[in-house]
Amino acid sequence: GDSVTQMEGPVTLSEEAFLTINCTYTATGYPSLFWYVQYPGEGLQLLLKATKADDKGSNKGFEATYRKETTSFHLEKGSVQVSDSAVYFCALRNYGQNFVFGPGTRLSVLP
Amino acid sequence: NAGVTQTPKFQVLKTGQSMTLQCAQDMNHEYMSWYRQDPGMGLRLIHYSVGAGITDQGEVPNGYNVSRSTTEDFPLRLLSAAPSQTSVYFCASRPGTLSGGPDTQYFGPGTRLTVL
Repeated sequence: GDSVTQMEGPVTLSEEAFLTINCTYTATGYPSLFWYVQYPGEGLQLLLKATKADDKGSNKGFEATYRKETTSFHLEKGSVQVSDSAVYFCALRNYGQNFVFGPGTRLSVLP
Repeated sequence: NAGVTQTPKFQVLKTGQSMTLQCAQDMNHEYMSWYRQDPGMGLRLIHYSVGAGITDQGEVPNGYNVSRSTTEDFPLRLLSAAPSQTSVYFCASRPGTLSGGPDTQYFGPGTRLTVL
């Protein structure tokens, strides 16, 4: 079945550092890809998404590009802030199917 | 517009007790689902519903029941709680049905359940 793999962390960075969280997937067909973020004590929120190969999703300074050739959707941000501390989930959804989530990556940003 | 609401926020049960986790959404979404979140395992789908009166099993349905009598509500019932059901439970909704519709899924704040 479909699956998502991502670096589990925790990832600890200093403020203004560059962030990369790796995500790779296994799926049949052409799934949509997502990054969700979970702030402490809250539910998940959609951060960004991409629906086809070479699409770039972006939001709040975060970016991810749908790479079909490497089955990847790595999350990047050029300069992280303390407020970015959260758990980040990579996910996919094939047409007509349910969402499949990765295990989540905890990010801590230190001032 | 409250979005997706869940009650209670925290619950402690003894093994063998039953309870219902409540979930409601006010966005008129057809599709609702329940997930459990466990460390290192991400979110796993328990049950889902594509509309009122229609429910189906997800990846980990054993020990849980659901019903969907209205579009707004989707309660999750634990029949006989076990320590393995200690987890954080999230309800989510999105417009459209399983076979299509927008992809954005909206999550509730979660219920943290401990079974002793």
